[in-house]
Amino acid sequence: AQSVTQPDIHITVSEGASLELRCNYSYGATPYLFWYVQSPGQGLQLLLKYFSGDTLVQGIKGFEAEFKRSQSSFNLRKPSVHWSDAAEYFCAVGAGGYSTLTFGKGTMLLVSP
Amino acid sequence: NAGVTQTPKFRVLKTGQSMTLLCAQDMNHEYMYWYRQDPGMGLRLIHYSVGEGTTAKGEVPDGYNVSRLKKQNFLLGLESAAPSQTSVYFCASSYSRYSGANVLTFGAGSRLTVL
Repeated sequence: AQSVTQPDIHITVSEGASLELRCNYSYGATPYLFWYVQSPGQGLQLLLKYFSGDTLVQGIKGFEAEFKRSQSSFNLRKPSVHWSDAAEYFCAVGAGGYSTLTFGKGTMLLVSP
Repeated sequence: NAGVTQTPKFRVLKTGQSMTLLCAQDMNHEYMYWYRQDPGMGLRLIHYSVGEGTTAKGEVPDGYNVSRLKKQNFLLGLESAAPSQTSVYFCASSYSRYSGANVLTFGAGSRLTVL
């Protein structure tokens, strides 16, 4: 079975600084990887996804993520954080075939002025 | 352009009471899911449905029942609520169950408190 780990429960970043949120997965074959964002009081919204091909994927709101097979990672990055990026971020993995997604426990991003 | 709508948004129950959460989607999605979200636990899949009239168990199904009588609706029931079921419940839907294309659209959530 697949699993995903988000090592950081909380991260605080200054507005305008760069951001990297970590995600590590466990799965024997090539996984399908997703990042979702949850703003306070809202449901989850898809930021980006990786299925195959180019290992650097671009998403909405200026986010990108890089799939690194050798490190079993799919870290989310943004070059300059805005106060509106404060939210909880979830990494998710799919095992291929007709499987359901497994979500990480989330990383709460706080943005300081 | 509603997407996924959950009702009610908030509910307080006493232990032993029953209730039903309703999820409705207007995107003609075949697949629907119920998750619960608890602090520090992320999202855990309760039940899901791969089509009208079908349901399947997820990671944490105990204490819940579901029904999918119409394609657009997915109901989550608690027959005898327990304090451990205090949580935020999210419904989601997708056009594909194949995980390579399994992009989920989520509702805004239903916050349930069991006293």
